[in-house]
Amino acid sequence: QKEVEQDPGPLSVPEGAIVSLNCTYSNSAFQYFMWYRQYSRKGPELLMYTYSSGNKEDGRFTAQVDKSSKYISLFIRDSQPSDSATYLCASGSGNTGKLIFGQGTTLQVKP
Amino acid sequence: GAVVSQHPSWVICKSGTSVKIECRSLDFQATTMFWYRQFPKKSLMLMATSNEGSKATYEQGVEKDKFLINHASLTLSTLTVTSAHPEDSSFYICSARDSGIISEKLFFGSGTQLSVL
Repeated sequence: QKEVEQDPGPLSVPEGAIVSLNCTYSNSAFQYFMWYRQYSRKGPELLMYTYSSGNKEDGRFTAQVDKSSKYISLFIRDSQPSDSATYLCASGSGNTGKLIFGQGTTLQVKP
Repeated sequence: GAVVSQHPSWVICKSGTSVKIECRSLDFQATTMFWYRQFPKKSLMLMATSNEGSKATYEQGVEKDKFLINHASLTLSTLTVTSAHPEDSSFYICSARDSGIISEKLFFGSGTQLSVL
C-alpha cells in the first residue's frame, strides 16, 4: 500500500464548478499536509499547507484534513480554465523536509 | 514567495555522456535540497536529500554512482547523471527548504527534461 493514495483522474468539470480533490494516507505519524499544483512540464507550486485537522481557506481554495480517517481534501470554488493542471497532495512528518506525494489528479476545467 | 531556479530546463544528450543539472535558491539559503524524478502521469519520486557541506542521502534503489549530488554552498546543489542511458530519460525536479525559518514548506524548481538518445 502506498503511503499516500490519490485518484489520478482525469477529472473534467465545467467552468464555475466546485472541484473536490481527495487523498488518503496510511501513516499516522504524518503531521503536515500540503497541496501542490503542477502545470505540464513545470515544477510543483505550493497551494495550501495545513498542520492540523480542520479547514483552511485561501481565496477560492479550501484544504481539509481529517486525521481520524486519514483523509485530505482540496476544494476549488468557481473553477476557472486556468485551474487546469495536476494537483498533488503531499504529507510529511518530523523536521526532515521529506514529503511523500500522491500520484496527482489531473484536472481539466472546460470553458 | 521563495524562488528556486533550476537549469537547464531541457537537455538532449547522447548515450554515455554525463549531464549536470543545477538547482539554486535565489532569495534564501537552503542547507537541504531534494532531488526528484517524475515519469509521465506519475508522482514525484524522491531520489536523494542533498545536504550542504556533507554527503547526500540517497533513497533505496537509487544508484549513488549514477546520480552524483554536490551541495557545495547554501544556495546551490547539482545533480550529475553520469554515463546517461535512454532509461535515465525523465523529468528531474529539485526542491529546497528555507533554512532561515522553521517551516516544512518546500519550494520547487521548474524541472529539467532529460532525453538520452
